[in-house]
Amino acid sequence: DAGVTQSPTHLIKTRGQHVTLRCSPISGHKSVSWYQQVLGQGPQFIFQYYEKEERGRGNFPDRFSARQFPNYSSELNVNALLLGDSALYLCASRDFSGSETQYFGPGTRLLVL
Amino acid sequence: DQQVKQNSPSLSVQEGRISILNCDYTNSMFDYFLWYKKYPAEGPTFLISISSIKDKNEDGRFTVFLNKSAKHLSLHIVPSQPGDSAVYFCAASDGANFGNEKLTFGTGTRLTIIP
Repeated sequence: DAGVTQSPTHLIKTRGQHVTLRCSPISGHKSVSWYQQVLGQGPQFIFQYYEKEERGRGNFPDRFSARQFPNYSSELNVNALLLGDSALYLCASRDFSGSETQYFGPGTRLLVL
Repeated sequence: DQQVKQNSPSLSVQEGRISILNCDYTNSMFDYFLWYKKYPAEGPTFLISISSIKDKNEDGRFTVFLNKSAKHLSLHIVPSQPGDSAVYFCAASDGANFGNEKLTFGTGTRLTIIP
């Protein structure tokens, strides 16, 4: 079975630009969460979507937004990029059939110059 | 405010011996705990989890222990193998709030297994 997939794997942008990151959850998983991991830290929660509705939001500015599509895939958008947005962006999905475990994709490495 | 803490940034263990990774938390609302393993340039890989209604969970070489009164959990790996060398993250959630999936992570412990 395919795991969580994310695209692109790497991305280089300049300050002020906009970026869109994409995530496809494990088949059958309806919940998708986004995390940001900067070097030397643990992942930080950004958003969670379930059944196309936002269910949770972390302490990130309004420049960060996301949405979930009818097929449960998701996009994370970041506007007006700052140097500090350089990080590994992780997507995780979960199945609500009993397990509370979230499964992570390989991440998108974003570098802002 | 670091609600999940991994106070040891690194740990070196001889191959074949036991590795013990520790994690402390401060939020008494956390009721589900997970350990993830991460290699460079990859996403975290789920290892093992434990609900707050248990104090121990085993899966092969991995055992997680939870001490709710001390707000402490530990991951034991026995025997340690070279492939276990990675960064290990402890994570916690308030699973009682259905649909609120926020995982709070520690800062990680880099485990090195010495052949």
